[in-house]
Amino acid sequence: GQQLNQNPQSMFIQEGEDVSMNCTSSSIFNTWLWYKQDPGEGPVLLIALYKAGELTSNGRLTAQFGITRKDSFLNISASIPSDVGIYFCAGHVSNSGYALNFGKGTSLLVTP
Amino acid sequence: NAGVTQTPKFQVLKTGQSMTLQCAQDMNHNSMYWYRQDPGMGLRLIYYSASEGTTDKGEVPNGYNVSRLNKREFSLRLESAAPSQTSVYFCASSFNYGYTFGSGTRLTVV
Repeated sequence: GQQLNQNPQSMFIQEGEDVSMNCTSSSIFNTWLWYKQDPGEGPVLLIALYKAGELTSNGRLTAQFGITRKDSFLNISASIPSDVGIYFCAGHVSNSGYALNFGKGTSLLVTP
Repeated sequence: NAGVTQTPKFQVLKTGQSMTLQCAQDMNHNSMYWYRQDPGMGLRLIYYSASEGTTDKGEVPNGYNVSRLNKREFSLRLESAAPSQTSVYFCASSFNYGYTFGSGTRLTVV
């Protein structure tokens, strides 16, 4: 499957700081998504992006679909302790229904 | 509550044993998926079913089989478990790209 490179692998920040993470692919994707996984749970969809250049917000979260269609970015503003978890990017695999390839995740730790 | 239900939540198998992981969704989604999650590897697609009656291989299908029993249920079978199959398994369903995941099955093969 297409390789998704997600960076950074982990982040350790203080409450109130802003967070940025990104995902790059060797292939063009038509759809980019960002999921969050809380400890012991399955991932939950945060934001979906469908067009190159699209910028979408969900509360303190903002994600962008890169112009080249090979990358995407997620920003979290004013982080809080409940932002702790693993954030995954995912891209649509061509000719496979809605099957997604996931990145390896960014583990976020927030200290009060 | 609507969602994806996986059973069992935990399982320990001996090498060579077989078992079936069960998954059911009550959201009338057409598509269902099985992923495995290993430390540092993210989520890797094992098999998926785009609609009732169809199944397709994902990135890591070797050692697994699946059955889309009906629209609600999608099971994953390990015929002869190996230690390399120790992992957390997630089932998901979707109408489009917005997946709903189950809470996972933690499988250990000794």
